[in-house]
Amino acid sequence: EPEVTQTPSHQVTQMGQEVILRCVPISNHLYFYWYRQILGQKVEFLVSFYNNEISEKSEIFDDQFSVERPDGSNFTLKIRSTKLEDSAMYFCASSEGGRPFSGNTIYFGEGSWLTVV
Amino acid sequence: DAKTTQPPSMDCAEGRAANLPCNHSTISGNEYVYWYRQIHSQGPQYIIHGLKNNETNEMASLIITEDRKSSTLILPHATLRDTAVYYCIVRAVYNQGGKLIFGQGTELSVKP
Repeated sequence: EPEVTQTPSHQVTQMGQEVILRCVPISNHLYFYWYRQILGQKVEFLVSFYNNEISEKSEIFDDQFSVERPDGSNFTLKIRSTKLEDSAMYFCASSEGGRPFSGNTIYFGEGSWLTVV
Repeated sequence: DAKTTQPPSMDCAEGRAANLPCNHSTISGNEYVYWYRQIHSQGPQYIIHGLKNNETNEMASLIITEDRKSSTLILPHATLRDTAVYYCIVRAVYNQGGKLIFGQGTELSVKP
């Protein structure tokens, strides 16, 4: 079964450092997402991406964050200067799209644990 | 997107059916009901979704009331591995790229 894969599974970084989290969405999918989950809290939407641009972003997704699809397979989340409160599990997700009114299911990866110290 | 209400926790005996309720009284006609689960901080796992009719797949059944204001996810024979947080989410039909908004979900504990 196709799946969304994420690397690294766990990263520890110093406050102020830049971090890039990588994701390989399911191959025929057109919509890509990043979510995060702070320990013990809800899964929160960060950003969605379609046709090489951001289609929607949340208030959390401020100027510290950026996303990119550098090639035909990878989708990355960059945090420019990490803060302690960025410590969380970050989930990448993708959906097929291209079929309006058919309920395009979003599939999630297993996540990347980011610990900022 | 409409909001959902779920009980914070439920218990179920292993081998019995687990019936997880969800209220979505403000759902509109163009919104699907989705169910996901999250096992111990793993990525949310898609279970099933439906619009109006009841749905069944290899994981679960989804029963949606006729007025669509509530639904029930049924795990027919719960196992210990079904212990997880279950999320009921509504999402617009036309919004093929639209986000999912997660609530607190129901923490299901399957006990031997």
